[in-house]
Amino acid sequence: QKEVEQNSGPLSVPEGAIASLNCTYSDRGSQSFFWYRQYSGKSPELIMSIYSNGDKEDGRFTAQLNKASQYVSLLIRDSQPSDSATYLCAALFGGQNFVFGPGTRLSVLP
Amino acid sequence: DAGVIQSPRHEVTEMGQEVTLRCKPISGHNSLFWYRQTMMRGLELLIYFNNNVPIDDSGMPEDRFSAKMPNASFSTLKIQPSEPRDSAVYFCASSSLTGTGEAFFGQGTRLTVV
Repeated sequence: QKEVEQNSGPLSVPEGAIASLNCTYSDRGSQSFFWYRQYSGKSPELIMSIYSNGDKEDGRFTAQLNKASQYVSLLIRDSQPSDSATYLCAALFGGQNFVFGPGTRLSVLP
Repeated sequence: DAGVIQSPRHEVTEMGQEVTLRCKPISGHNSLFWYRQTMMRGLELLIYFNNNVPIDDSGMPEDRFSAKMPNASFSTLKIQPSEPRDSAVYFCASSSLTGTGEAFFGQGTRLTVV
């Protein structure tokens, strides 16, 4: 069974704080991982992809991958109210099959 | 590129009617995915195609659902007959098998079956 697990939240953080979102996946052979952001009533939007162990930074976003622990995380620094959304973790299984986690709802409080 | 294009954006139909959802993937992409999203079940993969060939349709809920991809630039998801429990947002996404694997979503079709 190909699965991606996330804490559904909601996760509430004050404006300016660091938001930490976590994800685990079932298939040790997976090589590609993605974070999507979905605003209410909108489609998922790709914000980060990561393929190697370690950290990948893009602006206020940092994705972290630990393949030994089958764990992916997303850190959002200096959180803004506009970051309030649902964040979906996805893994590519077998190089072809995209599987999404249930999403974590983030609320950034002004 | 215009991105993944889905139509219609909204569909309201009566129970028992046939519904057809349409998707045009990003030009050059050779993988296409159909997802259904509800509050209760989240984002569920229904079926995906590689190079126009259906690879995994295990997520299709029942025989009332069917999907086709007659060519690289067009796919349909059909529900016949539709039922109120089919009400959801249906997303199409595409990616490139030879690229970095990132999938890009269309705007979705909000289906309401009354």
